[in-house]
Amino acid sequence: KQEVTQIPAALSVPEGENLVLNCSFTDSAIYNLQWFRQDPGKGLTSLLLIQSSQREQTSGRLNASLDKSSGRSTLYIAASQPGDSATYLCAVDQGAQKLVFGQGTRLTINP
Amino acid sequence: EPEVTQTPSHQVTQMGQEVILRCVPISNHLYFYWYRQILGQKVEFLVSFYNNEISEKSEIFDDQFSVERPDGSNFTLKIRSTKLEDSAMYFCASTGTPTYEQYFGPGTRLTVT
Repeated sequence: KQEVTQIPAALSVPEGENLVLNCSFTDSAIYNLQWFRQDPGKGLTSLLLIQSSQREQTSGRLNASLDKSSGRSTLYIAASQPGDSATYLCAVDQGAQKLVFGQGTRLTINP
Repeated sequence: EPEVTQTPSHQVTQMGQEVILRCVPISNHLYFYWYRQILGQKVEFLVSFYNNEISEKSEIFDDQFSVERPDGSNFTLKIRSTKLEDSAMYFCASTGTPTYEQYFGPGTRLTVT
């Protein structure tokens, strides 16, 4: 059974810092991996999707990497801003389009 | 930009009552999903739907739950006899080919009293 773990559970950094969020999964037979952002009481906003054949994807200040063989993904956020404060969720799709989610990392960017 | 919409945003119901949660997926998407998130817990998959039938369902999706695409735009989740433990945020999602990137709606907060 696929398990997804995100470390750290919470992170607080000053504005302007670059930071890395980590995601690990137990079964490397995945179809793709998606990173989401969730604001309190709100829905999930898709940030990046990495196909299993890809190593990384970039969107603006966000860069996500995937090492399928070791069961790891990272989300790099450059030059963090207070508006980046949210919970970031990692989810893996094993080909049945059933996403398995991690618990999330709650990120706070301090002005 | 196209988006998934859900109604209502908040539903309060009494234990044992039936509820229907509604979703309008992105118009050219063919795959539809329901997930739920109990407060403070992970987002959990409930069911996927394609070509007018269930593709996959989780252990949570028992006989109390059903899904339907009654017309060309709506996708619904029905809970026949709600329990206290059904209180959660319910998210609808949809996706299209070729990337299968899933797009989520804003959610319906279901409170069972």
